[in-house]
Amino acid sequence: SQKIEQNSEALNIQEGKTATLTCNYTNYSPAYLQWYRQDPGRGPVFLLLIRENEKEKRKERLKVTFDTTLKQSLFHITASQPADSATYLCALEDQGGKLIFGQGTELSVKP
Amino acid sequence: GAVVSQHPSWVICKSGTSVKIECRSLDFQATTMFWYRQFPKQSLMLMATSNEGSKATYEQGVEKDKFLINHASLTLSTLTVTSAHPEDSSFYICSAKWGNEQYFGPGTRLTVT
Repeated sequence: SQKIEQNSEALNIQEGKTATLTCNYTNYSPAYLQWYRQDPGRGPVFLLLIRENEKEKRKERLKVTFDTTLKQSLFHITASQPADSATYLCALEDQGGKLIFGQGTELSVKP
Repeated sequence: GAVVSQHPSWVICKSGTSVKIECRSLDFQATTMFWYRQFPKQSLMLMATSNEGSKATYEQGVEKDKFLINHASLTLSTLTVTSAHPEDSSFYICSAKWGNEQYFGPGTRLTVT
């Protein structure tokens, strides 16, 4: 069956360090993968989309990689700040056009 | 651009009553909108796909008679939770597709007492 898995354990890092979050998937061949940020009690906010033919994509302090051989995407936040603390979700679109989410990884950046 | 709003942001209702939640795309037209439900500490679960001018497509296990979806225009979809019960208490989130990206509303917290 199709699965999207993210680190279920919360990630705690010190301010200024780079946070790296992992998203692995099985039994998918996605054309692209998306990352979202979700704060408590709020809807997800779109961050980045990376296509299957793109190895890496950057947006300000964010960097996403996409390895279709490993079936894995890595999401990096450089020079992390306490304001980056949130839950980060990866998502793939299935063949029916529906967005399927991983369970999310909670990031906590300590000052 | 690509802003999606939801109304209300929270609602408390009594068991047995119905509640309507609105989802609007404010600065773009969306032929397809999606409704999700999220329980605490869990990820978003897709409930249904709302198609403008046609019937919604429900995911397996979601009761179409309980969760009524209407997509009357290219900027508005509504979800009505009929005969609500305490187990329907959850965080309901809609989204609209713009190109390949999906944009989400801020969510509606439903509490059924």
